[in-house]
Amino acid sequence: SQQGEEDPQALSIQEGENATMNCSYKTSINNLQWYRQNSGRGLVHLILIRSNEREKHSGRLRVTLDTSKKSSSLLITASRAADTASYFCATDEIQGAQKLVFGQGTRLTINP
Amino acid sequence: KAGVTQTPRYLIKTRGQQVTLSCSPISGHRSVSWYQQTPGQGLQFLFEYFSETQRNKGNFPGRFSGRQFSNSRSEMNVSTLELGDSALYLCASSLSRNGYTFGSGTRLTVV
Repeated sequence: SQQGEEDPQALSIQEGENATMNCSYKTSINNLQWYRQNSGRGLVHLILIRSNEREKHSGRLRVTLDTSKKSSSLLITASRAADTASYFCATDEIQGAQKLVFGQGTRLTINP
Repeated sequence: KAGVTQTPRYLIKTRGQQVTLSCSPISGHRSVSWYQQTPGQGLQFLFEYFSETQRNKGNFPGRFSGRQFSNSRSEMNVSTLELGDSALYLCASSLSRNGYTFGSGTRLTVV
């Protein structure tokens, strides 16, 4: 299946710093969603941004979407140890079946 | 309200056996989809059910099948297990394309 790319694959920062993850995708989309996964468990929905939106905020999260470049970024501000997890972007494609196409994920480690 | 419940949490099976995984969606959610997560291939879509009908299917062999019951609970079945089927299997329920709630997954190990 087509999958987007995320970079970096791994990111290690100090607590309190900001973390930025990027996602690129291949097709036209209805929306793009970000999920968090702790230690190989279930996915937790973080935020959804629609194709006609450019930026969205939720608490310490900020997501941007550039449909012309087919890319998105997730910014986590003032990181905490509890933010340590893998983060995935997922797209809902226009003309596509109701399913999510996931990126490979970014492994984020917050060092205390 | 209760979340998405997947059972069992862990499973160990032998090559050649078959396995059935269960998913109970959030009450009122009629769409249930399944994903396979492996270190090599990442998260891949298996299939999606809506009102007891399979609406969409991913690129997996016919050994992977599923069904949905009238109460929206879903099962997926993998027959003739192979070592490569070892994975985390995730189920998600949704009301629409704009929000999915995932279960904690079933960790399947094939030996």
